[in-house]
Amino acid sequence: KQEVTQIPAALSVPEGENLVLNCSFTDSAIYNLQWFRQDPGKGLTSLLLIQSSQREQTSGRLNASLDKSSGRSTLYIAASQPGDSATYLCAVTPGTASKLTFGTGTRLQVTL
Amino acid sequence: EAGVAQSPRYKIIEKRQSVAFWCNPISGHATLYWYQQILGQGPKLLIQFQNNGVVDDSQLPKDRFSAERLKGVDSTLKIQPAKLEDSAVYLCASSEGTQGTNEKLFFGSGTQLSVL
Repeated sequence: KQEVTQIPAALSVPEGENLVLNCSFTDSAIYNLQWFRQDPGKGLTSLLLIQSSQREQTSGRLNASLDKSSGRSTLYIAASQPGDSATYLCAVTPGTASKLTFGTGTRLQVTL
Repeated sequence: EAGVAQSPRYKIIEKRQSVAFWCNPISGHATLYWYQQILGQGPKLLIQFQNNGVVDDSQLPKDRFSAERLKGVDSTLKIQPAKLEDSAVYLCASSEGTQGTNEKLFFGSGTQLSVL
């Protein structure tokens, strides 16, 4: 059974810092990995999707990397802003099904 | 482009009562998902529809949960009777095609259910 773990569970950083969120998964036979953002009381917004054949994806100040062999992914946020405050979830798609398995998320707070 | 619409936004019921949630996916999206997100946890897939057929309902507690997607568009999720442990946010999501594996999912804002 695929398990997805995210560390840390919560993180507080001052504005302007670069930061890294971590995601690990137990079964490396994945089809893809996605990073989502969830604001309080709202649904999830897809940020980046990395195919299993890819090593990384970039969108603006966000960069996600994937190392299938070690079962790890990182989300790098450059020059953090208060508007980045949210919960960030990673999810993996098993190789033979489209059912996403989510981690429990990292709650990020960027302070002024 | 209109997003995924869900209603109601909040619902409070007593245990053993029934409740229903409604979802309208993005127009033209073939695949629709219902997720349950318990506080402090990641979302868990309850059921996935492709058009109006069920693709995966392996984690749906079928003794009390039911879902339908008539005409391959809107969907309803019902709980009857509700238990305290059903308190959660119920998220609906949709994706454009039928090859959901590599597609981006679009989520609604969810229905927050409290069972007292």
